[in-house]
Amino acid sequence: DTGVSQNPRHKITKRGQNVTFRCDPISEHNRLYWYRQTLGQGPEFLTYFQNEAQLEKSRLLSDRFSAERPKGSFSTLEIQRTEQGDSAMYLCASRGGGTIGELFFGEGSRLTVL
Amino acid sequence: QKEVEQDPGPLSVPEGAIVSLNCTYSNSAFQYFMWYRQYSRKGPELLMYTYSSGNKEDGRFTAQVDKSSKYISLFIRDSQPSDSATYLCAMSANAGGTSYGKLTFGQGTILTVHP
Repeated sequence: DTGVSQNPRHKITKRGQNVTFRCDPISEHNRLYWYRQTLGQGPEFLTYFQNEAQLEKSRLLSDRFSAERPKGSFSTLEIQRTEQGDSAMYLCASRGGGTIGELFFGEGSRLTVL
Repeated sequence: QKEVEQDPGPLSVPEGAIVSLNCTYSNSAFQYFMWYRQYSRKGPELLMYTYSSGNKEDGRFTAQVDKSSKYISLFIRDSQPSDSATYLCAMSANAGGTSYGKLTFGQGTILTVHP
């Protein structure tokens, strides 16, 4: 499968623990995005990478959140000191040189904070 | 008030019906308009993409954009049970660089097409 891959698919953690999600984009895509989707809502933009550079971060991305994309390939999203409000689906998307909206989404990593 | 408003439904229609899905928006900077389909426990997938006002047709799907009214629509003709999913409208401003791919989504409309 050559689509966007996300791991783990589901993570259950206790409040206060740290969690890390990984995204492997489509190999030829240099643009990578993280979105967050809560139940019954549409995805919300979190952050954007072009190659290894993080070019934009949403105000939704508090100090407890950090994202990296070393070497411009896979990306990680870490949440420190998780809170129950962090429970959501974390979606990764990648894009090549196509049209502006042609994002290819992964199946998401679902976080449940107890 | 959200930048993009979308009725969450749910919407239930019989097979073969014409489905109309709509979104309104408030940000006049939006220039690119998209419809995504999301099946349960899956990521969104792009259905239709339009730029500026007008209509675009692709098979059973027609997307309409009316920028003067800040209103977009998606029509599905001859709906099938396999069309049952959540439909998300999404928009982006006309700006280069970092704004590309930064989409603002509606809440999503849950559609069920029953046989």
